[in-house]
Amino acid sequence: EAGVAQSPRYKIIEKRQSVAFWCNPISGHATLYWYQQILGQGPKLLIQFQNNGVVDDSQLPKDRFSAERLKGVDSTLKIQPAKLEDSAVYLCASSSTTGRYNEQFFGPGTRLTVL
Amino acid sequence: EDKVVQSPLSLVVHEGDTVTLNCSYEVTNFRSLLWYKQEKKAPTFLFMLTSSGIEKKSGRLSSILDKKELFSILNITATQTGDSAIYLCAVKGNNDMRFGAGTRLTVKP
Repeated sequence: EAGVAQSPRYKIIEKRQSVAFWCNPISGHATLYWYQQILGQGPKLLIQFQNNGVVDDSQLPKDRFSAERLKGVDSTLKIQPAKLEDSAVYLCASSSTTGRYNEQFFGPGTRLTVL
Repeated sequence: EDKVVQSPLSLVVHEGDTVTLNCSYEVTNFRSLLWYKQEKKAPTFLFMLTSSGIEKKSGRLSSILDKKELFSILNITATQTGDSAIYLCAVKGNNDMRFGAGTRLTVKP
């Protein structure tokens, strides 16, 4: 079974620039999550989708961050404009709502450096 | 506000030692507690705990949950250098999953 795919793996931008990350979840997984993990901290949930609807985006900085999952499959997370404090690893995860343990499977992440 | 606190933040041991990692939590509408191992980027799932007092075991790793005292422990016996990683505890409420900061375990040969 193919895992969660993310791209790019690394991105370096200057502050005030825009950036977008892409995630393709495991086939058939209805739930998709975006996390931000700052160095030395645990992942922080940014947004959770159930199919193409948003379940929770309470911790998403909506003035600069946006995410979509238009067809209920892959998703993009955008930052516009980026700030220095956005430097982090952005993790995408997916889970099957029918799974016994509702386990989240994580992608390899995208490491963003904002200069 | 929901929170998950892990201790210690870092731990250095030698191969063969036994370690105990702690996770305490405060969350509304608790549903489950999960342990992950993070070596490079993506956390990998270890255990999910929903009931108090029932030990989950996988090889040298085991974990147990106390829903009355609101904590869980992760034990690793006979540690190996390959156990070096960050161990993350996450607690799931109604919707989101909240992670602790993690415990960085270093196992020296």
